[in-house]
Amino acid sequence: NAGVTQTPKFRILKIGQSMTLQCTQDMNHNYMYWYRQDPGMGLKLIYYSVGAGITDKGEVPNGYNVSRSTTEDFPLRLELAAPSQTSVYFCASSLLRVTSTDTQYFGPGTRLTVL
Amino acid sequence: GQQVMQIPQYQHVQEGEDFTTYCNSSTTLSNIQWYKQRPGGHPVFLIQLVKSGEVKKQKRLTFQFGEAKKNSSLHITATQTTDVGTYFCAGQKTSGSRLTFGEGTQLTVNP
Repeated sequence: NAGVTQTPKFRILKIGQSMTLQCTQDMNHNYMYWYRQDPGMGLKLIYYSVGAGITDKGEVPNGYNVSRSTTEDFPLRLELAAPSQTSVYFCASSLLRVTSTDTQYFGPGTRLTVL
Repeated sequence: GQQVMQIPQYQHVQEGEDFTTYCNSSTTLSNIQWYKQRPGGHPVFLIQLVKSGEVKKQKRLTFQFGEAKKNSSLHITATQTTDVGTYFCAGQKTSGSRLTFGEGTQLTVNP
């Protein structure tokens, strides 16, 4: 199993450009998450999904959009990139059931710079 | 909403010294998890604690879950340079609910 994979690893954007960060997991997990981590800071939840076709906002959703058309894929879309979106973006997944724990498996991250 | 707080935010130690990070929740938790993120890496699951007062060890790492299931600690004995990184705690309020991550403690170890 590859686990959680993310592409690209690095990206530099100009202000106002758009891009999609890709995330794929092969563990058949129902939950998927997008976090951002600013330098020296903790993880902030952007969006999450409880299954295909269902997404919900986290604590910092502004400027981002997501979709979940399949169990495996959870792309994050940045529209009109701004310098404040310079960060490391982590995708994570978990197999969360009513009686289970939410152990999350993280991808390697995408390091995004907006200039 | 549920909050999980960690202290300290940063800790610098000399190699061989001990290190402890503390995690406190505003609500009772069903379980708490600990993750480690190496510099330039991604968070990796270390361990999960479920029972009140539970203590688990992984080599030089000792994890505790408080009796009230609202706090936890991670203690590293005789730190090594390989311990460098950020340690996150994450709490789950009830089974089936999402994890809430603390802000992390960034550990540096001077050789």
